[in-house]
Amino acid sequence: KNQVEQSPQSLIILEGKNCTLQCNYTVSPFSNLRWYKQDTGRGPVSLTIMTFSENTKSNGRYTATLDADTKQSSLHITASQLSDSASYICVVSDRGSTLGRLYFGRGTQLTVWP
Amino acid sequence: EADIYQTPRYLVIGTGKKITLECSQTMGHDKMYWYQQDPGMELHLIHYSYGVNSTEKGDLSSESTVSRIRTEHFPLTLESARPSHTSQYLCASSVLRGGRSYEQYFGPGTRLTVT
Repeated sequence: KNQVEQSPQSLIILEGKNCTLQCNYTVSPFSNLRWYKQDTGRGPVSLTIMTFSENTKSNGRYTATLDADTKQSSLHITASQLSDSASYICVVSDRGSTLGRLYFGRGTQLTVWP
Repeated sequence: EADIYQTPRYLVIGTGKKITLECSQTMGHDKMYWYQQDPGMELHLIHYSYGVNSTEKGDLSSESTVSRIRTEHFPLTLESARPSHTSQYLCASSVLRGGRSYEQYFGPGTRLTVT
């Protein structure tokens, strides 16, 4: 069964600190992995997208890594800001259809305190 | 910021009412999607469309219906709303990037409450 598991479920950090969010998946055949940021009451916004051949991708203070062998990904946030408070969702796409079917994790709820 | 819009953003209605959630995008994307998301839970695909006059049901069974008469417009309709339909509904559209991956752009969502 294609699944995406994220940890931790929630995380509280102080402003300026770094943090790392984890994602494990069983989706096969794998096409790509995305990290989205979803502010409360808003739609998800894409942070990074990585294909099988990519190990790391950065977007400002966000750096995503991918290990396709172990089927794990992480999202590292550097020097956190209050505006980073949001849910971070790991999404994996399979190669099984032209639809680009997406499998969503439940997200990690990050809270950044001043 | 993606050019995909949803209205209304918030809706509170009584049981039995018919409602239509609007979604439009100005990016010319062929593929469009409707997701349902409950608090703290993952998004579930309820409908998708490959293009005009093409609609399919998604993974999660839904009593809603959709139509795609124009490329830019993908409305979702509930003929008779029930409290179990209370949820957030997210519309998305996608484009092929580099011939290999589909970048999905999401609208801001409609928070529906059925009393």
